[in-house]
Amino acid sequence: ELKVEQNPLFLSMQEGKNYTIYCNYSTTSDRLYWYRQDPGKSLESLFVLLSNGAVKQEGRLMASLDTKARLSTLHITAAVHDLSATYFCAVDYGGSQGNLIFGKGTKLSVKP
Amino acid sequence: GAVVSQHPSWVICKSGTSVKIECRSLDFQATTMFWYRQFPKQSLMLMATSNEGSKATYEQGVEKDKFLINHASLTLSTLTVTSAHPEDSSFYICSARLPGYSNQPQHFGDGTRLSIL
Repeated sequence: ELKVEQNPLFLSMQEGKNYTIYCNYSTTSDRLYWYRQDPGKSLESLFVLLSNGAVKQEGRLMASLDTKARLSTLHITAAVHDLSATYFCAVDYGGSQGNLIFGKGTKLSVKP
Repeated sequence: GAVVSQHPSWVICKSGTSVKIECRSLDFQATTMFWYRQFPKQSLMLMATSNEGSKATYEQGVEKDKFLINHASLTLSTLTVTSAHPEDSSFYICSARLPGYSNQPQHFGDGTRLSIL
């Protein structure tokens, strides 16, 4: 069965702190995406990870991919309130059309 | 960047009404679009893959007669929720991928919040 598991599902943290969100997936894939969703809004693409060992950084967020371990991480450095949102990882499980399986999401709340 | 537009953004209607949602790729042609459904505080669930000029591919458990998908052009896919009932209330999101599929993320529309009374 194709599964994408995110951990934690909910995260409350103070500004200035660091934390890592984990995304494990059950099927072989070399395409993994991270998205951000603000309340009542749609999804915003954050990172596209396409190969083993891929690491991408944008501001206070850094994402990595280990295809052998079937694990991706989203690391938050020195969190700020503006990062409060729900973060989804999604795995492309192949096929000609590139369908995605989404994790359940991690709701991040950064408190001043 | 690639823009996907969804319309309407919010619909409230009575039970038994059919509701049509449009998904447009504004600055690129999309042979494939995807329709997702998201319940409150839950993740996105793929409902169907919309293919231009052919029948949509529905995920298991999604009623094709209930959720009609038409992808009549390279820039427009529509989802019609037929005879909607309160249990169909949800956030519906479409997405499309730039041509040359392999390394592109899906670009999502702003979503349509459907409330059935």
